[in-house]
Amino acid sequence: KQEVTQIPAALSVPEGENLVLNCSFTDSAIYNLQWFRQDPGKGLTSLLLIQSSQREQTSGRLNASLDKSSGRSTLYIAASQPGDSATYLCAVRPGTNAGKSTFGDGTTLTVKP
Amino acid sequence: GAGVSQSPSNKVTEKGKDVELRCDPISGHTALYWYRQRLGQGLEFLIYFQGNSAPDKSGLPSDRFSAERTGESVSTLTIQRTQQEDSAVYLCASSLAGTGGGGGYTFGSGTRLTVV
Repeated sequence: KQEVTQIPAALSVPEGENLVLNCSFTDSAIYNLQWFRQDPGKGLTSLLLIQSSQREQTSGRLNASLDKSSGRSTLYIAASQPGDSATYLCAVRPGTNAGKSTFGDGTTLTVKP
Repeated sequence: GAGVSQSPSNKVTEKGKDVELRCDPISGHTALYWYRQRLGQGLEFLIYFQGNSAPDKSGLPSDRFSAERTGESVSTLTIQRTQQEDSAVYLCASSLAGTGGGGGYTFGSGTRLTVV
């Protein structure tokens, strides 16, 4: 059974800092890994989707990496801003691309002005 | 449609009443998922549809919960005899299945259910 862990559960940084959020998973037979952002009281917004054959994806100030062999993904946020404050979740889809993704519990990020 | 649409966005109901929550997935997305998120908690899987079939309904918490999907499109999640512990945000997501489109999830904005 796939297990997804995100550490730390919460993180507070001053504005302008670069930061890394971590996601680890126990079964390396994955189809893809997806990072989401969730604002309080809102749904999930997809940030980056990494296929199992890829090593990283970039969008603006965000960069996500994937290392299947070690069961890890990182989300790098450059030059953080107060508007980046949210909960960040990672989700891992099974290798068959059938069935449900397994979600981590998220890291709640606070960027202080 | 362009995104996943859920209705209603908010629902307040009295304990013991039945409620229906609706999800309209992205057109052409064959896979559809329901999750529940209680306040301050993570996502709790409820049920997964591939087409109109539900190969995985392992997350439905009790027989008061049921879901159906028709026309490989709209899905309805029904909660009978609601209890206060059913209060949560119910999230729907859809995706392409198989090897097309990368298989990423797109979520709706959710239905906030409050049972009083």
